[in-house]
Amino acid sequence: AQSVTQLGSHVSVSEGALVLLRCNYSSSVPPYLFWYVQYPNQGLQLLLKYTTGATLVKGINGFEAEFKKSETSFHLTKPSAHMSDAAEYFCAVRGEYGNKLVFGAGTILRVKS
Amino acid sequence: NAGVTQTPKFQVLKTGQSMTLQCAQDMNHEYMSWYRQDPGMGLRLIHYSVGAGITDQGEVPNGYNVSRSTTEDFPLRLLSAAPSQTSVYFCASSYSPDSRWETQYFGPGTRLLVL
Repeated sequence: AQSVTQLGSHVSVSEGALVLLRCNYSSSVPPYLFWYVQYPNQGLQLLLKYTTGATLVKGINGFEAEFKKSETSFHLTKPSAHMSDAAEYFCAVRGEYGNKLVFGAGTILRVKS
Repeated sequence: NAGVTQTPKFQVLKTGQSMTLQCAQDMNHEYMSWYRQDPGMGLRLIHYSVGAGITDQGEVPNGYNVSRSTTEDFPLRLLSAAPSQTSVYFCASSYSPDSRWETQYFGPGTRLLVL
């Protein structure tokens, strides 16, 4: 069965500091991994996804994530946080069959000025 | 394209009432799904559909009903609302019903409060 663990329900960084949001997964098949962002009172927007190929994936708004099979991780990073990055971030893994997504609990990112 | 649309944006119900949350997409997507979002639990799959006339249960289907009579629409019905169904509901869609790499597109959500 597929599962996702996001370490840290809340992360606080200063503006300009490195953003690191942690995601570990469990998958019985080669994983397809996703990061979504949810701004306040809005729906989910895809940041980036890993399917196959290059393990370093670049997404929108300067975010990137690295797939590490040996560590079963897919951590999200951004070199320099901006106030507009404040949001909730969800890591997700595709189900074993078909199109289902299994989500982590989410991490709320706070950016301090 | 309007993408995935949901109505209403916000609803208050009394325990025992029924209602239908509407979801529509104009992207000719075969796959549609409903999730509920609760604090600290992420999003959990309620029901999904791989095409018109075909639906199946997700992780938390109890108390909810769905149908898919057209490709565009995928309504979610609460048969007898309970306070435990207070949540934010998201509809999502993607083109292929069995492609593991495809992106799912989410609607803006419906916030439901059951008193």
